[in-house]
Parts: sequence; structure tokens; C-alpha cells
Amino acid sequence: KQEVTQIPAALSVPEGENLVLNCSFTDSAIYNLQWFRQDPGKGLTSLLLIQSSQREQTSGRLNASLDKSSGRSTLYIAASQPGDSATYLCAVPVSGGSNYKLTFGKGTLLTVNP
Amino acid sequence: EAGVAQSPRYKIIEKRQSVAFWCNPISGHATLYWYQQILGQGPKLLIQFQNNGVVDDSQLPKDRFSAERLKGVDSTLKIQPAKLEDSAVYLCASSRNPGGGGNTIYFGEGSWLTVV
Repeated sequence: KQEVTQIPAALSVPEGENLVLNCSFTDSAIYNLQWFRQDPGKGLTSLLLIQSSQREQTSGRLNASLDKSSGRSTLYIAASQPGDSATYLCAVPVSGGSNYKLTFGKGTLLTVNP
Repeated sequence: EAGVAQSPRYKIIEKRQSVAFWCNPISGHATLYWYQQILGQGPKLLIQFQNNGVVDDSQLPKDRFSAERLKGVDSTLKIQPAKLEDSAVYLCASSRNPGGGGNTIYFGEGSWLTVV
């Protein structure tokens, strides 16, 4: 059974800092890994999707890396801003084919202080 | 492109009452998902539809939860009778195709249920 763990559970940083969020998974046979952002009272917004054949994916100030062999992914946020404050979740699919069930971590609650 | 629409956004009911949530996925998306997110947890898949057929409902409490997607577009999730532990956010999501690959899933803003 795939289990996804995110560390830390909460993180508070001053504006402008670079930061790293961690995600680990127990079954390395994954098709991809997806990072989401969730604002309070809102749904999930997909940030980055890394295919199993990729090592990293970048979007603006965000960079996600994937190391399948060690079962780890990191989300790097450069020059953090107060608007980055949200919960960040990573998720991996349980299996491919027509059954695409995402297993989520519990998330990291990020607070960026002005 | 319009996103995934859900209603109602918020609902408060007493235990043993019933509630229904509606979802309209992104146009052209064949796959629709209902997730349950309890406070402080990651979302958990309840049911996945491919067009109007059920692909996975292994984690759906079928004694009280039901879902349908009759015409392969909109979907309804019903809870009857509700229990206190059903208090959660019910997230609807859709994707163009199922499977691993480059499958990005798009989520709605959720329906927040409080059972008192």
C-alpha cells in the first residue's frame, strides 16, 4: 500500500527566503508525482507534474525534483512571498491504466511573513 | 476554460439527515473523481468515473454514500444518513483521460459539509 509522507507539517518563514518542502513515498513504482497548492477554503490547484522519467520540473519560482529510487520529491520555492502562504500537497497515483487513484500526503502548511 | 464547478459550497445538516452534492467537470473531461478531505488530512478518493461507468469505488462507504454520473457529464454524490464523521470537504475533480502518463487532475473548490 502506497504511503505518502510530507515533512515538515508546518513551516513559517520570512518573506524572501528560499525554502524546500519534502515528500516521500513508500512504493517507488510510480508513473508520476504531482504537487498541489490548497488555499484556505479552496480546492486544490495543480502546480507541477513530474513524469517518472523526469528528474525535475520548473514553473516560475517553483522547482520540483523527483528521485524515484529513494522515494523522494522536493518542492523548492525561490524568493518566497506572502502570497505563497498555503498548504502544499504532493500526490502519487496508486496504479496506471484506467484506475488513476491519487494517494496524497497530509500536506505542509506554509506561512510566509511580510 | 471554465473550471470544475461544485455546489453547494457549504452545508450544515444534523446527523441522520441526507445531503447531495453536485459537480460539473471541465468540458471534454471523461474522468470524474470524488474525493473526501477531512480537516488536517490529504484528500481520499471515494469514487472514480470514466464517462458514466464506475472505475473505482472501493473506498466509498456504500451503506450510506452513493454517486452517479448518468449522462457522462455532471455527477451527484449523496450521503444518507449522515454521521458526524462525514464532516469534511467533498472535492470533485476531472481529467481528460485516466491513467498515468501526463494526466493532470483539476479540482473544484469543494463542498464543505458539517454534520452536527
